[in-house]
Amino acid sequence: DAGVTQSPTHLIKTRGQQVTLRCSPISGHKSVSWYQQVLGQGPQFIFQYYEKEERGRGNFPDRFSARQFPNYSSELNVNALLLGDSALYLCASRGAGANVLTFGAGSRLTVL
Amino acid sequence: DAKTTQPNSMESNEEEPVHLPCNHSTISGTDYIHWYRQLPSQGPEYVIHGLTSNVNNRMASLAIAEDRKSSTLILHRATLRDAAVYYCITPNSNSGYALNFGKGTSLLVTP
Repeated sequence: DAGVTQSPTHLIKTRGQQVTLRCSPISGHKSVSWYQQVLGQGPQFIFQYYEKEERGRGNFPDRFSARQFPNYSSELNVNALLLGDSALYLCASRGAGANVLTFGAGSRLTVL
Repeated sequence: DAKTTQPNSMESNEEEPVHLPCNHSTISGTDYIHWYRQLPSQGPEYVIHGLTSNVNNRMASLAIAEDRKSSTLILHRATLRDAAVYYCITPNSNSGYALNFGKGTSLLVTP
């Protein structure tokens, strides 16, 4: 079975641009969450979605937004990119009644 | 989430057991203790979780103190592939599994 897939794997943007990152959860998983991991730190929670509704939001500015589609895939959007947005963006999915998250390999964003 | 405290780094020899400690003195009675690990250039990977009793699976064992204020992840025979950052997390059951990873313990395994 395919795990959590994320695209693109790597991308480079310049300050002020906008980026969209995509995530496909494990088949049957309805919950998707997004994390940001800057170099040398642990992942930080950004958003959680379940059944297309936002169920949690971390301490991130409004430049960060996300949505979940009817097929449970998800997109993370970041507007007006700053140098500090350079990070590995991780998506994770969780099955119903499960206590654990399964993470994708991430999308590495570099902002120049 | 309850605050967790882990050593920044630990070192082990290959094929020896490794005991990774975690303190979580403010954990509530219903919060599970989760361990994830992150290998270089990969996303975090679930290792094990438990509530009160010690737990075993194919990857590791989790020993939970009787007062639940600390726990220990046990790798029975470390391999080079176990070199990773290990995170101890106690997610609040009301947080929707918004995990607070902290900095974790970087495990170095030497041949």
